[in-house]
Amino acid sequence: KNEVEQSPQNLTAQEGEFITINCSYSVGISALHWLQQHPGGGIVSLFMLSSGKKKHGRLIATINIQEKHSSLHITASHPRDSAVYICAVGEAGTASKLTFGTGTRLQVTL
Amino acid sequence: GAGVSQSPSNKVTEKGKDVELRCDPISGHTALYWYRQSLGQGLEFLIYFQGNSAPDKSGLPSDRFSAERTGGSVSTLTIQRTQQEDSAVYLCASSLAGQGIYGYTFGSGTRLTVV
Repeated sequence: KNEVEQSPQNLTAQEGEFITINCSYSVGISALHWLQQHPGGGIVSLFMLSSGKKKHGRLIATINIQEKHSSLHITASHPRDSAVYICAVGEAGTASKLTFGTGTRLQVTL
Repeated sequence: GAGVSQSPSNKVTEKGKDVELRCDPISGHTALYWYRQSLGQGLEFLIYFQGNSAPDKSGLPSDRFSAERTGGSVSTLTIQRTQQEDSAVYLCASSLAGQGIYGYTFGSGTRLTVV
């Protein structure tokens, strides 16, 4: 079993739809990260969370430490949101590296 | 610099040759990480530097892989006697410090193809 599980693996949505990507993890963490990777592009850090909720523009990230679960929400989705979204955790105690989920491939169509 | 810079962006090499991949982190970032993303696979950790020392190199897949960091800045990942399974995108990231309490900035990666 992977330490970080994401769902869904693939997601297709129409422009304007509200999108949710889920991440569950099995280890104690110091922080959880949401990353965005465009095709052929590098990785952009969207959020780093250790508790509660963060919002940036149309993106919202939440985390429930007790349930070891995080969600990434995209409101009013747009084709430029099409990318792979990756959940990663920094494990408590080590915190020297990230453990990654396998990613969610999002395609937003017109 | 303004971001994490990696070079080359693409590298094609023949099986058995050695390659060097370079990472120039954000100025002042003491923590530097190398990750690898193989085709169709998730990202995997290779090595972590704090300053010039590497307290965690547990992700290096074999003794053909080595890395160094000098001056608390530029890092070089060296792969000796490359094999086809080494083909992947090699990503570098830096952070203000270790301990996982600061965010990470990633470079654009080096796409390595071993033929």
